[in-house]
Amino acid sequence: EPEVTQTPSHQVTQMGQEVILRCVPISNHLYFYWYRQILGQKVEFLVSFYNNEISEKSEIFDDQFSVERPDGSNFTLKIRSTKLEDSAMYFCASRIMDHGYTFGSGTRLTVV
Amino acid sequence: GQQLNQSPQSMFIQEGEDVSMNCTSSSIFNTWLWYKQDPGEGPVLLIALYKAGELTSNGRLTAQFGITRKDSFLNISASIPSDVGIYFCAGLPTAGGTSYGKLTFGQGTILTVHP
Repeated sequence: EPEVTQTPSHQVTQMGQEVILRCVPISNHLYFYWYRQILGQKVEFLVSFYNNEISEKSEIFDDQFSVERPDGSNFTLKIRSTKLEDSAMYFCASRIMDHGYTFGSGTRLTVV
Repeated sequence: GQQLNQSPQSMFIQEGEDVSMNCTSSSIFNTWLWYKQDPGEGPVLLIALYKAGELTSNGRLTAQFGITRKDSFLNISASIPSDVGIYFCAGLPTAGGTSYGKLTFGQGTILTVHP
């Protein structure tokens, strides 16, 4: 079964540092997403990406966040200057057309 | 923004019992999805519903897409210990709207099954 792969599984970073979270979506999928889940809370939408541009973003996705699809396979989320409140699980997801998303296993980001 | 209210927040049941959880919304959704999340893992899709009134089963799981498009339920029959986890409903809004493709999640139902 095709999978969405995320690396690293766990990242610890100092406040103010930049982090890049990496994702390899399913190869024939067209829509790519980042979601996050603060410990004990629900999953929240961050950004959607289609046709090499952001199609929608939430109010959480401010100027400190950016996404990129640098080649045909990777999809990255960059946080420029991390804050303590950025600590969360970050999930990448992809889908094709109108059908169910496939989520990756997530990256646990801990900002200290 | 759109909100999904999921209930109950948590359930403690005995192995073999049936379980029911539901989600309601003040706005219409085009697609309802039910996910299960194990600790430290990403959500795994259990059932997807695409039409109002649709009733779909996946093994011991059954889910329905409400006629009004504003609600959905998930039933688990004859629960077993490995059913333990957090169950989330998620909705995709009406196609063509500005939020097309963006999932809205419920708050989750924590299920504990005692052997």
